[in-house]
Amino acid sequence: DQQVKQNSPSLSVQEGRISILNCDYTNSMFDYFLWYKKYPAEGPTFLISISSIKDKNEDGRFTVFLNKSAKHLSLHIVPSQPGDSAVYFCAASGPNAGNMLTFGGGTRLMVKP
Amino acid sequence: EAGVTQSPTHLIKTRGQQATLRCSPISGHTSVYWYQQALGLGLQFLLWYDEGEERNRGNFPPRFSGRQFPNYSSELNVNALELEDSALYLCASSLGLGQGVSDTFGSGTRLTVV
Repeated sequence: DQQVKQNSPSLSVQEGRISILNCDYTNSMFDYFLWYKKYPAEGPTFLISISSIKDKNEDGRFTVFLNKSAKHLSLHIVPSQPGDSAVYFCAASGPNAGNMLTFGGGTRLMVKP
Repeated sequence: EAGVTQSPTHLIKTRGQQATLRCSPISGHTSVYWYQQALGLGLQFLLWYDEGEERNRGNFPPRFSGRQFPNYSSELNVNALELEDSALYLCASSLGLGQGVSDTFGSGTRLTVV
């Protein structure tokens, strides 16, 4: 039972344009969501997070939107840069789970120069 | 500040053998998490240790086990290795219970079972 899903395994975007990565979840107990970026042979690097009490959080070129009623979150990268090319994972955490994260399957983003 | 360190970087084992993977958390972090990333798949939660205790385990067979030492470093042991255990094993650490989500990951151990 996949509680966190990233339905697009890959996404290709032109440099300078917007990248939108999507994530859906099924567990209504999740109250904290994170996005990680991962390069091959490296561990995931934390990008941005959002608490369920918010619907938007911005950090530079990265914005995460949360739609609790739809159990959907998205990561917007504007403008996209070739260095953003990586696999992006969304993750969720809930109460009484400590900091244990449930991850989606990842989306490979390719930003073309 | 040193990040999460994992050793070895790569490990090749034969089916049926045992593998031991090690993780040192960031200084001050008391929680250690182990995740498995099999080829083409996302990260699957394996084990969570905090203050030397196993707090939770994922949907993995009992031959996956581990422990956390008094200095908060951790070992993951995989017994009776199977070919499908070949994966990248990632360790993350964070401040203890109730301190907020701040998982920081190591670079992982690539385990190959032949």
